[in-house]
Amino acid sequence: KQEVTQIPAALSVPEGENLVLNCSFTDSAIYNLQWFRQDPGKGLTSLLLIQSSQREQTSGRLNASLDKSSGRSTLYIAASQPGDSATYLCAVNNNDMRFGAGTRLTVKP
Amino acid sequence: DAGVIQSPRHEVTEMGQEVTLRCKPISGHNSLFWYRQTMMRGLELLIYFNNNVPIDDSGMPEDRFSAKMPNASFSTLKIQPSEPRDSAVYFCASSRQRGRTYEQYFGPGTRLTVT
Repeated sequence: KQEVTQIPAALSVPEGENLVLNCSFTDSAIYNLQWFRQDPGKGLTSLLLIQSSQREQTSGRLNASLDKSSGRSTLYIAASQPGDSATYLCAVNNNDMRFGAGTRLTVKP
Repeated sequence: DAGVIQSPRHEVTEMGQEVTLRCKPISGHNSLFWYRQTMMRGLELLIYFNNNVPIDDSGMPEDRFSAKMPNASFSTLKIQPSEPRDSAVYFCASSRQRGRTYEQYFGPGTRLTVT
């Protein structure tokens, strides 16, 4: 059974800092990995999808990498802004969708 | 596109009552997922459909839960009878399946409170 872990559980940084969120999974036979953000009381917003054959994906200030063999993905956020404050979740697909518990990010002005 | 639509957004009901949650996926998407989110257990996949057919319902907690997808534009998740421990936010997500890859888009969720 796939286990997905996100570290850290919470992170607080000053505005402008670059930061890295981590996602690890136990079964490397995945088809894709997706990063989401969730604002309090809201649904999930898709940020980036990485297919199993890809190493990274970029969208604006976000860059997600995937290392299947080591069971890890990272989400890099450049020049963080207060509007980036949210919970970030990774989801792993290997015919069984598994989500991590998320990292709660606070960016202080 | 309006995105994934869920109704109702909030539901408060008494223990023992039947609850029906509704979902309209994004037009053209052929996969639909039902999730439950709680503080204790996070996001859990309950069931998903491909082309209106249930593929994996191993996450459905008990026989009190049932889901249907009568056509490509509508799905329901029913709880009967409801219990206080069913209180959670229920999300529906849809995806256009490409091979074994799913890029999921989530609805706003239904917050269910069972008293």
